[in-house]
Amino acid sequence: AQSVTQLDSHVSVSEGTPVLLRCNYSSSYSPSLFWYVQHPNKGLQLLLKYTSAATLVKGINGFEAEFKKSETSFHLTKPSAHMSDAAEYFCVVSDPSRSSGTYKYIFGTGTRLKVLA
Amino acid sequence: DGGITQSPKYLFRKEGQNVTLSCEQNLNHDAMYWYRQDPGQGLRLIYYSQIVNDFQKGDIAEGYSVSREKKESFPLTVTSAQKNPTAFYLCASTTGTGLNYGYTFGSGTRLTVV
Repeated sequence: AQSVTQLDSHVSVSEGTPVLLRCNYSSSYSPSLFWYVQHPNKGLQLLLKYTSAATLVKGINGFEAEFKKSETSFHLTKPSAHMSDAAEYFCVVSDPSRSSGTYKYIFGTGTRLKVLA
Repeated sequence: DGGITQSPKYLFRKEGQNVTLSCEQNLNHDAMYWYRQDPGQGLRLIYYSQIVNDFQKGDIAEGYSVSREKKESFPLTVTSAQKNPTAFYLCASTTGTGLNYGYTFGSGTRLTVV
């Protein structure tokens, strides 16, 4: 079965310093992986996705993630944090259902990013 | 602009009462999903629907019911059988199977038992 682990529940960085949010996955298949961001009391917004093309994926707002099959990781990074990046971030792996031919998402438990002035 | 509209934004339920959360999309997406979000637990799938008049149970369907009579609409009813309904509920949709497209999410409904 597919699973995803976000290694840190909370991360604090100073404004202007790099951001690293860690995600490891477990998959029996070639996975599709996603990062979503959620601001308080809002829905989730897609940041970026990996779907077996380039292993370095660039997303919105300066975020990027690198798919490393040997390490089963898909960490999210940003060179310089901005105050507006403070939010909760979810790593997601797709879970194919062979019986129905459909796909479901498996969500990580989230990492809350705090940006200090 | 296309998107997903969830209503109401806040909902209060009395003990033993059924309540219905609305989810409407104008994206022409085939598949729609309901998730429940609790602090520290990520999102858990309640129900999903790939096509009109068809839906499947997710991981935590007990105490919930859905219908999919129109492509645009996927309402969720929280029944009195759901013993701990206080949570943030998110509706999502996607085109195709969702594998490569990602989901579009609504802005959520916060349900509180009073």
